[in-house]
Amino acid sequence: DAGVTQSPTHLIKTRGQQVTLRCSPKSGHDTVSWYQQALGQGPQFIFQYYEEEERQRGNFPDRFSGHQFPNYSSELNVNALLLGDSALYLCASSPTSGTNTGELFFGEGSRLTVL
Amino acid sequence: AQSVTQLDSHVSVSEGTPVLLRCNYSSSYSPSLFWYVQHPNKGLQLLLKYTSAATLVKGINGFEAEFKKSETSFHLTKPSAHMSDAAEYFCVVSGVPYSSASKIIFGSGTRLSIRP
Repeated sequence: DAGVTQSPTHLIKTRGQQVTLRCSPKSGHDTVSWYQQALGQGPQFIFQYYEEEERQRGNFPDRFSGHQFPNYSSELNVNALLLGDSALYLCASSPTSGTNTGELFFGEGSRLTVL
Repeated sequence: AQSVTQLDSHVSVSEGTPVLLRCNYSSSYSPSLFWYVQHPNKGLQLLLKYTSAATLVKGINGFEAEFKKSETSFHLTKPSAHMSDAAEYFCVVSGVPYSSASKIIFGSGTRLSIRP
């Protein structure tokens, strides 16, 4: 049973560019959340997708957007990259059909470096 | 409002000695509480969870945590540290079941180092 998979694992971009990160949830999970983890900090909630819609959003600007596909996989897009967007981006899935118990299954993350 | 405070940013213990990682929380509701572990360059893995059942919760790899409502604490312990326990540990608070995803709050983390 495959867990949460994310791609790419590492990438380097320059300021102003755009990036797309991808996530496949654990089998049987239909809810995907995205987190940003800056170096030395805990994960910060970006948004959550369920039934192909953004259901909840954290305190992130509109440059951060996402999508969920009918097979429950998800993408995170970041436009107009800033140096401060350098971080580990974590995808977490849950089997909670849009509800949130706090029990999350994480991928290994995509490490984004912005130069 | 909910918040979580991990009282130590770094804890260092010798192999074979006890581990104590401290976490205090604040919640307007009866909280659910979790500990996650993150090994270097890896994602987070659930260690254990408290969801209003037994106050002493047992997790994977010999870890335990005790929910103390009077002290608003949920400290993580292990009787005997192993080298493989070296990692970052996150305490997480969530509101009542079915709460908003944005109300799942992660602490800032405690880095656990193990001395040979």
